[in-house]
Amino acid sequence: EVQLVESGGGLVQPGESLRLSCAASGFTFFNYDMNWVRQAPGKGPEWVSAISGRGDYIYYTDSVKGRFTISRDNSKNMLYLQMNSLRAEDTAVYYCAKESGYITGWDVFDMWGQGTMVTVSS
Amino acid sequence: DIQMTQSPSSLSASVGDRVTITCRASQDIRNSLAWYRQKPGRAPQLLLYAASRLESGVPSGFSGSGSGTDYTLTISSLQPEDFATYYCQQYYSAPPTFGQGTKVEIK
Repeated sequence: EVQLVESGGGLVQPGESLRLSCAASGFTFFNYDMNWVRQAPGKGPEWVSAISGRGDYIYYTDSVKGRFTISRDNSKNMLYLQMNSLRAEDTAVYYCAKESGYITGWDVFDMWGQGTMVTVSS
Repeated sequence: DIQMTQSPSSLSASVGDRVTITCRASQDIRNSLAWYRQKPGRAPQLLLYAASRLESGVPSGFSGSGSGTDYTLTISSLQPEDFATYYCQQYYSAPPTFGQGTKVEIK
């Protein structure tokens, strides 16, 4: 069974840092590009970052460039998101999402974790 | 960025009803369109991709159509588990973007 389990969320003050983790199982992790997608309360999902299977291609949405860093450890089947200089507008549920592999280029997300809540507030 | 606009924002329907949700992109996305269902407190679930291709395991009561900038999701007969929020997503160009959602509520 394909499973993604996020951890690392919590309540932090503006300017602080958090590191999110996503443990993957049930599929050949290094074969798939992985993403972080967030969803603020009452809003639609917002794509945050993507990393290729080998980690050689990385993309970010403009609002997190220079503050967030995506990475992966294929030996441990783990995906990470290092979040620095957090802002109130980063408050959201953060999901780890697997790309389907159906599509060359930008792809759809066929498996999501349960999400981890990040709250940035003073 | 490509803007995705869904309509309606919410609707009320009964079990067994046929429901149609519309998604409009701010530019031609060449059928690079997915639909997701999100139940309360859960992650989104992929329903369709390439505008009309059903994801494995998704009931055949879901269907999609459209081209260019305009797309629709149709649920032929609403089931209790279909009362949820639905999102469209374009993956034609970066960044991938989602609609604001359509909440399907029980009448």
